[in-house]
Amino acid sequence: DAGVIQSPRHEVTEMGQEVTLRCKPISGHNSLFWYRQTMMRGLELLIYFNNNVPIDDSGMPEDRFSAKMPNASFSTLKIQPSEPRDSAVYFCASSIISGGSAGNTIYFGEGSWLTVV
Amino acid sequence: AQSVTQPDIHITVSEGASLELRCNYSYGATPYLFWYVQSPGQGLQLLLKYFSGDTLVQGIKGFEAEFKRSQSSFNLRKPSVHWSDAAEYFCAVGAMWGNDMRFGAGTRLTVKP
Repeated sequence: DAGVIQSPRHEVTEMGQEVTLRCKPISGHNSLFWYRQTMMRGLELLIYFNNNVPIDDSGMPEDRFSAKMPNASFSTLKIQPSEPRDSAVYFCASSIISGGSAGNTIYFGEGSWLTVV
Repeated sequence: AQSVTQPDIHITVSEGASLELRCNYSYGATPYLFWYVQSPGQGLQLLLKYFSGDTLVQGIKGFEAEFKRSQSSFNLRKPSVHWSDAAEYFCAVGAMWGNDMRFGAGTRLTVKP
């Protein structure tokens, strides 16, 4: 089974440029998450969607960050304009909310490694 | 709000030795608890999870964890560590309904030959 698919895996960009990270969740999952991982702050939840609707975006650091989920199989995280302090690994993850033992296990993609110079 | 504390930032053990990684949580209701492992350059992989029932949970790669409600702990254990277990380990607590999962800061495991 295909897991969560992220692209690009690695990106190096110049300060001020727009960056778009893409994510395809696991088919059938109804929740999607964007996390950011840095040495200083660890793993931070930026935003999550349920049934394509943003539920909690309180973790989005500032207006330069935006996320969309136009359909159940695709999401983007955009940074415009990018800054060096945005350098991090960005993870997309998905899960399915259901009753019983399945619970809300979150499955992660392999991350997009962003460097802003 | 829920929170997770992993008291050990870095642990070094010898190959073949036993391992215990500590995790303490704060949560107002019945917690759903997880351990994830992250190898260098990789995403997070689920090792095991606890939702209910038997408080000793078996996971992949020979890991197990024990839920202790009285201590608000969910420590991860392995009887004999292999060099390939060197990685970062994250404990997480979440809710059944909704997706407000919180991760600990992680414990980096180094395995000595």
